[in-house]
Amino acid sequence: QSVLTQPPSASGTPGQRVTISCSGSSSNIGSNYVYWYQQLPGTAPKLLIYRNNQRPSGVPDRFSGSKSGTSASLAISGLRSEDEADYYCAAWDDSLSADVVFGGGTKLTVL
Amino acid sequence: QVQLVQSGAEVKKPGASVKVSCKASGYTFTSYDINWVRQATGQGLEWMGWMNPNSGNTGYAQKFQGRVTMTRNTSISTAYMELSSLRSEDTAVYYCARGALLQAWFDPWGQGTLVTVSS
Repeated sequence: QSVLTQPPSASGTPGQRVTISCSGSSSNIGSNYVYWYQQLPGTAPKLLIYRNNQRPSGVPDRFSGSKSGTSASLAISGLRSEDEADYYCAAWDDSLSADVVFGGGTKLTVL
Repeated sequence: QVQLVQSGAEVKKPGASVKVSCKASGYTFTSYDINWVRQATGQGLEWMGWMNPNSGNTGYAQKFQGRVTMTRNTSISTAYMELSSLRSEDTAVYYCARGALLQAWFDPWGQGTLVTVSS
């Protein structure tokens, strides 16, 4: 069971806007930055959003991130077929174990 | 460009150890941490720990403490992750990723190394 909670699946049609949620606690999302990763089938994960809402160069502005309290969200607007992938949220956790924690991942299907 | 290239697939017997390498290029190896993350088939991402290539300091996830060792050779810009006392549940793809201290920032990732534990 993952420390950060994500819905296991999400879907949308081309052009739609979809959001993926990520719920945590005061020791992780509540006190640290949230990061989002995209994993296309058969490939390594790729950084999609850093420090809650920043996009690395090369990531389309269709992707956006937000954080409020102990929850975060990833929004994808103008959905495209190539967005079909697994998406993971992650954050540092300040608890005794001092770990990086991931969400369980959300499989996005473009219908 | 910044790149991490990992060693090839491994097949190990239960109880054995495996050592995976991760060669960095395109940046100053000692300026960023190297993290290790693994992913069992069809499962999510699991963080294993970090290593600072400059100091050699490490931090391991509680689950792996006592079984994992992260080291480096700065002369060839290469990081290593050794996992001992392997069991079938350790069968997974192991990724290295460039990171920063106390953050979940990983960029880029290596291509992954499949480790299969089977008798």
